[in-house]
Amino acid sequence: DIQMTQSPSPLSASVGDRVTITCRASQTIRSCLNWYQQKPGKVPNLLIFAASNLQSGVPSRFSGSGSGTDFILTISSLQPEDFATYYCQQTYRIPYNFGQGTKLEIK
Amino acid sequence: EEQLVESGGGWVQPGGSLRLSCAASEFTFSTNWMSWVRQAPGKGLEWVANIKGDGSEKYYVDSVKGRFTISRDNAKNSLFLQMNSLRAEDTAVYYCARLREKVTDYYYYYLDVWGKGTTVTVSS
Repeated sequence: DIQMTQSPSPLSASVGDRVTITCRASQTIRSCLNWYQQKPGKVPNLLIFAASNLQSGVPSRFSGSGSGTDFILTISSLQPEDFATYYCQQTYRIPYNFGQGTKLEIK
Repeated sequence: EEQLVESGGGWVQPGGSLRLSCAASEFTFSTNWMSWVRQAPGKGLEWVANIKGDGSEKYYVDSVKGRFTISRDNAKNSLFLQMNSLRAEDTAVYYCARLREKVTDYYYYYLDVWGKGTTVTVSS
């Protein structure tokens, strides 16, 4: 199985900060990497698919990069509504494992 | 608006069974892969199973193989998860999600539409 490891966790930041969350795969997954946001008590929401493609309706302050084993989710300027937990997921090989999550907290 | 609505969750004793359902609307259900994803209380997301649009391919996480069965009824725009021999560690919110396929230089899959989830509690 391919293991997904996110860092840091948790992450403390302030409104307006530029934030990066890293996801590392235990073996190459090409660009088969997705990012989701989940707020407490809510359903996960797709942000980025195929490593760098912004899902329709997602604000442009979110971006994704990387390929192979190392991936980054960037939020260019944190907004109050961005404080949530973020998950990466690989869809290169079954099982489609998620990372353990990165909780983005208010500093 | 594309929508998924799960039902069938509840409380069950260890060793028992439950059948989850997911009703899809406002998209062409039969041409889409579908997935089940679960989240134990206070924990992260765990992919459980996938099924192809025509039902011809099914995949499971190892921890549920032989106990859970994913299926679909395209005439009724419905997805199912039959869960047998339930264990305490199966306690979770179970989400139904559409697994979108995008083919460019490779095959890319992502979960773009999610239901609100149904809660399964396995306890004596």
